[in-house]
Amino acid sequence: DGGITQSPKYLFRKEGQNVTLSCEQNLNHDAMYWYRQDPGQGLRLIYYSQIVNDFQKGDIAEGYSVSREKKESFPLTVTSAQKNPTAFYLCASLQSSNTEAFFGQGTRLTVV
Amino acid sequence: AQKVTQAQTEISVVEKEDVTLDCVYETRDTTYYLFWYKQPPSGELVFLIRRNSFDEQNEISGRYSWNFQKSTSSFNFTITASQVVDSAVYFCALSEALRGATNKLIFGTGTLLAVQP
Repeated sequence: DGGITQSPKYLFRKEGQNVTLSCEQNLNHDAMYWYRQDPGQGLRLIYYSQIVNDFQKGDIAEGYSVSREKKESFPLTVTSAQKNPTAFYLCASLQSSNTEAFFGQGTRLTVV
Repeated sequence: AQKVTQAQTEISVVEKEDVTLDCVYETRDTTYYLFWYKQPPSGELVFLIRRNSFDEQNEISGRYSWNFQKSTSSFNFTITASQVVDSAVYFCALSEALRGATNKLIFGTGTLLAVQP
């Protein structure tokens, strides 16, 4: 089955730690995206990548980092510099601007 | 700059009522795409519709219909005879197609629809 897989579904982080959220797709899509969702704020774009080895900052990139070494993988690292990391994180991919984005099931990150 | 505005934060209706969710967008490009997504309590976003900037025809799919008006930069979504299963957060989104490359996909803040039995 083609789709996007995010893992883990729930993640707990201690303050000061870096954590990495996984996003894998087998749809052969070129573009991949990371969004953060907070209550009442909708989906805010963190980073996006249009091709392998290239990515751009979104609207709220501070405290996050990404890599795109393989077409199917776009991991997101939440660093200790991110002051309020507790949120729901969604990964998406799409083939081109005129096609719909496919979303993973999300990772809920909580700082303890 | 790109922007999507969903002014309605929450809407509550009684089952079988019609409801319209508003979406207003801003873009500098002439070629762009608009989307609606549904997010049920499980969290995963479900694609509902895609519309390109050159196609202003309204679309109907069962109880769902969409009204795209370039003159007012709006892409509104109507659910006819709402049902409890329609309860979810609905997002409007915009994607520009600059120079044929995939560009940012920007979402509105979403509208929480609660359909009461």
